[in-house]
Amino acid sequence: GNSVTQMEGPVTLSEEAFLTINCTYTATGYPSLFWYVQYPGEGLQLLLKATKADDKGSNKGFEATYRKETTSFHLEKGSVQVSDSAVYFCALTSPTDKLIFGTGTRLQVFP
Amino acid sequence: DAGITQSPRHKVTETGTPVTLRCHQTENHRYMYWYRQDPGHGLRLIHYSYGVKDTDKGEVSDGYSVSRSKTEDFLLTLESATSSQTSVYFCAISVGGRGADTQYFGPGTRLTVL
Repeated sequence: GNSVTQMEGPVTLSEEAFLTINCTYTATGYPSLFWYVQYPGEGLQLLLKATKADDKGSNKGFEATYRKETTSFHLEKGSVQVSDSAVYFCALTSPTDKLIFGTGTRLQVFP
Repeated sequence: DAGITQSPRHKVTETGTPVTLRCHQTENHRYMYWYRQDPGHGLRLIHYSYGVKDTDKGEVSDGYSVSRSKTEDFLLTLESATSSQTSVYFCAISVGGRGADTQYFGPGTRLTVL
């Protein structure tokens, strides 16, 4: 079945550093791909999404490109801020019409 | 903001007692979901609903039941709470008219079973 694998955290960075959080997937068909973010004490919020191969999702300086050839959807940001500290979840759609989430990657940004 | 509220936000209960969590939405969306979040597991789907009185099981449904008698409310019941059900529970809705579309989440309910 469809599944998502994310890099283990925590990822610890200094402010203004470049961020990459890896996400790879296994899927049948053509799933949509998502990144969600969870700030402390809150529910998940959609960060960005891509619905077909080579699409780039972007929001708040974050970007991810749907790479079918490498089955990846890595999250990147050129210059992180302390306020970006959160847990990030990669997700994809399943053939049975649901979302499947990765285990999450905690990002800690220090001034 | 998709107008999702959850109640209660925090609850402590004892093993063997029944517990009901409520999810309420204000925008009449068809699809609703209950997830649990645990360290190392991400979010796991418990049950979902695709309309009034139409519900189905997710991957971790044992020990849980749901009901949806109105479009706006989706109830999750732990029939006899166990310590393994200590978790944070999130409700979500799908706004795209299909289940596999962008989902919006409520603020969560932290449940502790002693």
